[in-house]
This record gives sequence, structure tokens and C-alpha cells, in this order.
Amino acid sequence: GQQVMQIPQYQHVQEGEDFTTYCNSSTTLSNIQWYKQRPGGHPVFLIQLVKSGEVKKQKRLTFQFGEAKKNSSLHITATQTTDVGTYFCQFFGNEKLTFGTGTRLTIIP
Amino acid sequence: GAGVSQSPSNKVTEKGKDVELRCDPISGHTALYWYRQRLGQGLEFLIYFQGNSAPDKSGLPSDRFSAERTGESVSTLTIQRTQQEDSAVYLCASSLRGTSGGALVEQYFGPGTRLTVT
Repeated sequence: GQQVMQIPQYQHVQEGEDFTTYCNSSTTLSNIQWYKQRPGGHPVFLIQLVKSGEVKKQKRLTFQFGEAKKNSSLHITATQTTDVGTYFCQFFGNEKLTFGTGTRLTIIP
Repeated sequence: GAGVSQSPSNKVTEKGKDVELRCDPISGHTALYWYRQRLGQGLEFLIYFQGNSAPDKSGLPSDRFSAERTGESVSTLTIQRTQQEDSAVYLCASSLRGTSGGALVEQYFGPGTRLTVT
């Protein structure tokens, strides 16, 4: 069956450093979404990617969908303390709504 | 406008008791979802309602879990004979339209209900 991995599980960075999280699937994804969950909060929608090779930017955040639509990444440039939280990808896995395991980002001021 | 609301925000119950969790979606949103999030873990899909279609119950972990939705409004998630492993935050989300043909849609989440089974 389909396997999707979100890596890394944790990331500790100094404020100002960059951060990247990846979702990698063994099979083609029709589309993928990214959410952010602040500590103690609920997930908040960030972006949806649909097209092969798609790249979308939101200020310091860059989202990519791989050419084969098996991989996606979220990159944050020059992290700030407001970026703290867990970032999840969401996709259809085996025809079921599935969230990735998440990458927890902590910032060292 | 008002977002998704859930009640209660916290619920402590004894093992073996039944609990009922409530979700009020955003007005006009046709789709509603329930997820479970254990401490420090990801979101686990439970059930999905879309309009008048039969709900997708594929994520319910056991027959102790059930959910209902009245039309396109409030939904209740019921857990019977609660067990300690049911302790988690239960999150509800709604979306303007449903997922079809594998197309994801933006989901708006409520604040969750933290359930503790003692």
C-alpha cells in the first residue's frame, strides 16, 4: 500500500536560520495541503498544491510539489519566533484523508 | 464571521462512561470532519459528513465510536464505554464543499475538546 513519510520529526533552529520539512510518498498524490499547528492550538490551513512542479510562495514560506507529484516540501526562510509550531501535510492516503506525522519546529532565540 | 466551535472544551470522565462531544461548523459549510489527536501525535481521521451523502466512517477505531450530523449543521461524536486510550483532543473541522475525486479542500478547525478518561 501507499506509504508517506514526513521528515524530519523535529527541527531545532536558531532564529534567522532556514527550515524545511518534506512529505514523501511512495505513490503519486493527486494534491496535497499544508497546515500549521501552534503549540496548544488547532491546525490552520496554509496552502494547497495541485500541479506537477508547482511552487507557491507566501512571504517567507515556499511550498513545492514535485514533478512526479510524489514529494512536497515547505521551506521557511529566516525563521522567526512566530514560526514555532508543528507543520503537517495532508493528502489522500489509500482513499482516506490522512495527515502526515508532522514536523515540530522550535526556534532558539 | 464565527468559526467552528466545539463543546465542551475539556471533559474528564471515568472509564466506562459515555461521552458526547459537539461541533458547530461554519454556517454554509457542507462538509464536516472529526479527527483525534493524541498528545504529541498527528491527526487521525475519524469520520466525514458531506451534505446528504452517507458519511465516511472508515476512520472510526471501534464500534464504541459513532457520530451524527443534523443536515448541514451541528454534529455530535459519541464515545461509549470510554477507555483510557480514548484520552485525546478531538478536533472538528468544516469546509465549504466536500472532497470528491481525491480533491482536497481547505478545512477550518475548531479549538478541540480535550478528553481525559480516568
